[in-house]
Amino acid sequence: GAVVSQHPSWVICKSGTSVKIECRSLDFQATTMFWYRQFPKQSLMLMATSNEGSKATYEQGVEKDKFLINHASLTLSTLTVTSAHPEDSSFYICSARQGVASGRASYNEQFFGPGTRLTVL
Amino acid sequence: RKEVEQDPGPFNVPEGATVAFNCTYSNSASQSFFWYRQDCRKEPKLLMSVYSSGNEDGRFTAQLNRASQYISLLIRDSKLSDSATYLCVVRLGSGNTGKLIFGQGTTLQVKP
Repeated sequence: GAVVSQHPSWVICKSGTSVKIECRSLDFQATTMFWYRQFPKQSLMLMATSNEGSKATYEQGVEKDKFLINHASLTLSTLTVTSAHPEDSSFYICSARQGVASGRASYNEQFFGPGTRLTVL
Repeated sequence: RKEVEQDPGPFNVPEGATVAFNCTYSNSASQSFFWYRQDCRKEPKLLMSVYSSGNEDGRFTAQLNRASQYISLLIRDSKLSDSATYLCVVRLGSGNTGKLIFGQGTTLQVKP
């Protein structure tokens, strides 16, 4: 399958600082990227959907001013957690989906990055 | 009510056992259905799609009952390497749009 990378894989920061997480599709162009958050023993929760070149669509309850998403190119999306607090500590996972291939109507699999574990002290 | 519900387990089974996981979803507009596998502290990976006619991939069999909004996964001849969390996932929306909704996951521990 296609490869999606995330950087950094883990980060520890002080409360009040901002943290940027990068998500890259390495061998395909991702027209749509998704950002999820997963707390221990809970399911992945979709935070936002971003399409290249346009503003991200945030899920209900996710603060767009706190979680800044930029999808400036077809291979890169970034999530910035601004003024992070301990309750933001979580596993952040991005996912990328290719554009629809010509003549193909089947589901385009979403490929997940390896995740970024954020710990805010 | 959660959109996708699973028994969190854990299911502890011996090697060679057959184990079944169940999942229910609440949104009748759900269009596509999947099982993902997630290892500890790793990202989820697609195990298989689920079709109304039922489908099989080696030791894994998935079933979908749209009328009951129920999805199942059967694992035969369990291996130690099957130990993981299995996520039931539905996709809202048709075609190639729509977002994935994840269940909480069912943890499987296969013991020697």
